[in-house]
Formats: sequence, structure tokens, C-alpha cells
Amino acid sequence: EAGVVQSPRYKIIEKKQPVAFWCNPISGHNTLYWYLQNLGQGPELLIRYENEEAVDDSQLPKDRFSAERLKGVDSTLKIQPAELGDSAVYLCASSPGAQETQYFGPGTRLLVL
Amino acid sequence: AQSVTQPDIHITVSEGASLELRCNYSYGATPYLFWYVQSPGQGLQLLLKYFSGDTLVQGIKGFEAEFKRSQSSFNLRKPSVHWSDAAEYFCAVAGGSYIPTFGRGTSLIVHP
Repeated sequence: EAGVVQSPRYKIIEKKQPVAFWCNPISGHNTLYWYLQNLGQGPELLIRYENEEAVDDSQLPKDRFSAERLKGVDSTLKIQPAELGDSAVYLCASSPGAQETQYFGPGTRLLVL
Repeated sequence: AQSVTQPDIHITVSEGASLELRCNYSYGATPYLFWYVQSPGQGLQLLLKYFSGDTLVQGIKGFEAEFKRSQSSFNLRKPSVHWSDAAEYFCAVAGGSYIPTFGRGTSLIVHP
């Protein structure tokens, strides 16, 4: 069974540029999560989807971050414009349902110069 | 609010030695507790989880953890460490929403 797929794996951009990350969850998983992991820290939830609906986005900085999950499968996370402090690893995870084990992708490592 | 403390940033052990990684949590009710492992450049993999019942939880790769309510702890143990266990280990706590709050992690270094 394929795991959670994320792309790109690495991204280097200049500040003020836009950037987008893509996540393909495990087939059949209804719940999808985006996490932010700063260097030397544990992941922090940005947003959680139940199918197409964002049910928990209280930690998403909505002035520059946006996310979507069209058709309840793949998801994209966008930052526009990026700031130096956005340099981090962005992790995607999925689970069959809301209260089930989460499976994490390898993450996208973002460096903003 | 829930929180997790992993007091050790780094732990160094010799291959074959026993291991214990500490985790203390804060949560007002009975928590869900997790241990994840993250190898360099990889996502997090679930080692084990505690929901209820037996306070000694067995996980994958020979790991176990014990839930001690009186101490608000959920320490991870392994009787004999292998070089491949070198990685970052994260403890996490969740409440009814099942959204985990992670600790900052403990980096395990294994000497040959």
C-alpha cells in the first residue's frame, strides 16, 4: 500500500515569492492534516480536513496561508507571500477517520532566502 | 490546554544497552498518548499508542511504554538498542479531538 505522498521534497525560494505544497493521502483516508515542523520542534497542526471540509484551521495564518482539498482527496497548501520565518518542514498526514492513527508523509522542506 | 515535556534533548547509548526516553504530559482528563519516531528526511512513524486499559503498551520494533497516571508520564523503553534506532523520538498527547500535541523531541544517538 502506498503511503502519503508529498511534493516537492525540497523547495528554495526568495522571500515574498509564492510557494505551494502538494499532498496525496493514502487511498480511502477521509481525514487529512497539514503540520508545520520548525527545526528542533515537534509538528504543530495547521489545518485538518474531513473529506473536503476544513474542520480545524484555527492555527493556520490566514493572511498568507491557504489550503484546499478538492474532491476530498489531494490537498495543496499555499503560502503567499513567503517570509523568512516560514522556513520549516511541512508535513502532511492522513487517517481513515478523525479518531484513528495518522500516517505521515516525508514532508516538504522549505527554505526561504 | 494539553502539553508535553520531553526533558532530554539528546540521549546517547551504546548499541545493545537499554533505553528509556522520558515523557511528561499535561491534560485534565484521561489522555490519548503516542510515541512517534522520525528518521532523517522522513515523516513520523507511530511506534505505539495508549488509549485505555493495560498501562504497559507494546509497540513495533521492540519498543514499549508505560502509562503512569500518578506521575503524568508515558516513558518509552527498549531493552536492547540497535544502531538503526538512532532517530528523533516524539511523544504526543491528545484529548477528545484526537489532535496530538507533540513534544519537542529527543534525539537518540547510538554508539557502536
